[in-house]
Amino acid sequence: GAVVSQHPSRVICKSGTSVKIECRSLDFQATTMFWYRQFPKKSLMLMATSNEGSKATYEQGVEKDKFLINHASLTLSTLTVTSAHPEDSSFYICSARRDRGDGANVLTFGAGSRLTVL
Amino acid sequence: AQSVAQPEDQVNVAEGNPLTVKCTYSVSGNPYLFWYVQYPNRGLQFLLKYITGDNLVKGSYGFEAEFNKSQTSFHLKKPSALVSDSALYFCAVRDISGSARQLTFGSGTQLTVLP
Repeated sequence: GAVVSQHPSRVICKSGTSVKIECRSLDFQATTMFWYRQFPKKSLMLMATSNEGSKATYEQGVEKDKFLINHASLTLSTLTVTSAHPEDSSFYICSARRDRGDGANVLTFGAGSRLTVL
Repeated sequence: AQSVAQPEDQVNVAEGNPLTVKCTYSVSGNPYLFWYVQYPNRGLQFLLKYITGDNLVKGSYGFEAEFNKSQTSFHLKKPSALVSDSALYFCAVRDISGSARQLTFGSGTQLTVLP
């Protein structure tokens, strides 16, 4: 089955530093990946759509200069949280769309990355 | 605008008893409906989906869900709950004419199966 690997699973950093999170589709190509943010006991909030070979599409209210997304290949998207602050502490989850031929485009999710900014 | 409602934040059920996790939705057209499960500090795992056809959809780990168009519901069910089913469950919907970006998640229901 489709597998999405996300790394690192946990990261602790100091305020003001930048953190990069990787999302890889291991056994399929993904021209589109999605980045979500999840607060405790809350649903997933779509941050941006990562498009291979082009700029990411950010949702309203998400700072594109704060959350840099790069989708350099068909199997890798990265999210860089720049100049991180404690309020950026959260659980970040990526997902990739795999065309299953039924048009429903079931999303495969990574295991998530817990970011803690001190 | 589309939306998903999971009216129960928490559902508790005894092991071996049937379980139901409720979901209602709203879309302008016809829906694609999904259930995902999330274990602590993990991403979401796909359970099942409804696209078209039989209203009763069977998925992973013995779960099933019934699409009810008149009630705009897609409740998740399992005949006999296991302690290992304890997790956070998300219902999601998108219009069939939309894209994966437009997938809307419910707020989640924490299922606890008591031994």
